[in-house]
Amino acid sequence: AQSVTQLDSQVPVFEEAPVELRCNYSSSVSVYLFWYVQYPNQGLQLLLKYLSGSTLVESINGFEAEFNKSQTSFHLRKPSVHISDTAEYFCAVSDHTGGFKTIFGAGTRLFVKA
Amino acid sequence: DARVTQTPRHKVTEMGQEVTMRCQPILGHNTVFWYRQTMMQGLELLAYFRNRAPLDDSGMPKDRFSAEMPDATLATLKIQPSEPRDSAVYFCASGSGQGASDEQYFGPGTRLTVT
Repeated sequence: AQSVTQLDSQVPVFEEAPVELRCNYSSSVSVYLFWYVQYPNQGLQLLLKYLSGSTLVESINGFEAEFNKSQTSFHLRKPSVHISDTAEYFCAVSDHTGGFKTIFGAGTRLFVKA
Repeated sequence: DARVTQTPRHKVTEMGQEVTMRCQPILGHNTVFWYRQTMMQGLELLAYFRNRAPLDDSGMPKDRFSAEMPDATLATLKIQPSEPRDSAVYFCASGSGQGASDEQYFGPGTRLTVT
């Protein structure tokens, strides 16, 4: 069975500073990996995903994540954050054994300070 | 702009009352998921459907919760009777049904408060 661990429940950071949100997963088979973002009072929306191919994936708003199979990690990074990046970020994993089910991590609350 | 819609957005009810939450998935999507989000438990999968058939409802308290898809454009989640511990935000999400690599599209949620 799959599992996801997000190592930080909250990450405070100053505007324009870099940030890394950490995610580790567990699965015995090949995985698909996702980062979703939830802004206040909204549903989750997909930020980026890794399905296959290049291990570095990027979003349209400057986030990137790297799939590291040996370390079973999929950390999310941004070189310079904005106030508007304040949100909760969820790492998620799925694989062929789980059918259509996606397992979500507990979430990391990113708080960007001016 | 295709979106998942959920009604009502907010619901306040008294303990013991029946609550029905509705979801309209994105047209053409054939997988539908129900999640519950609380501060303590985070995001929990309650049930999900493919082609209107329930595939997994193991996350749902069976004695009081029920989920159905009367047709391809409507999914419902009912709680009867409701209890204060059911207070949470309930999200519906839909997917294209291609498999494990699917992105899920979430609705805005129903915030339920049971007093």
